[in-house]
Amino acid sequence: DIQMTQSPSTLSASVGDRVTITCRASQSVTTELAWYQQKPGKAPNLLIYQASNLASGVPSRFSGSGSGTEFTLTISSLQPDDFATYYCHQYSTYRGFGQGTRLEIK
Amino acid sequence: EVQLVESGGGLIQPGGSLRLSCAASGFTVSSDYMTWVRQAPGKGLEWVSVINTVGGTYYADSVKGRFTISRDTSKNMLYLQMNSLRAEDTAVYYCARESPRGVVGTNCWGQGTLVTVSS
Repeated sequence: DIQMTQSPSTLSASVGDRVTITCRASQSVTTELAWYQQKPGKAPNLLIYQASNLASGVPSRFSGSGSGTEFTLTISSLQPDDFATYYCHQYSTYRGFGQGTRLEIK
Repeated sequence: EVQLVESGGGLIQPGGSLRLSCAASGFTVSSDYMTWVRQAPGKGLEWVSVINTVGGTYYADSVKGRFTISRDTSKNMLYLQMNSLRAEDTAVYYCARESPRGVVGTNCWGQGTLVTVSS
């Protein structure tokens, strides 16, 4: 199975900050990677698919990049609604999630 | 409008069996990949199983041999048969529609159903 490793596990930041979350795969997933945001008690919400495509309705402050085994999710200017947990998800071979990155208010 | 509604969760003893159901509307379950994802209390998301458009099924190692994913096109339902349940299977189980393959967009998740495995 492909292992997905996110870093950091927790990130403290302030409104207006630029933040980056990294996701590494144990083997290449080409660009078959998505990013989801999840808030407590809710289902995940798609942000990015195919590594860099912004999902419909997602603010342009979110962006994704990478291919192969290393990927990043960047939020250009944090807004209050962005404090949540973020997961990467590969769908190249079966499926698999990273362990999550909790983005908290500094 | 796409809608997914899970049912069948509850409290079950270790070693027991449970079948989760997911009622789909607004699309046909056989026209897309359908997947189950779970989340243990306070933990991250874990992919469980997927069924493709031609009926091929795939499972996470943690449930292989114990869980079975299936669908009923006539009822537009997705199922997850869970046998030999363990305490570590305790989680909220979500069904989801992948469209395109591998990608679960807005409104393509169910609300989740809680499975608690405990004596």
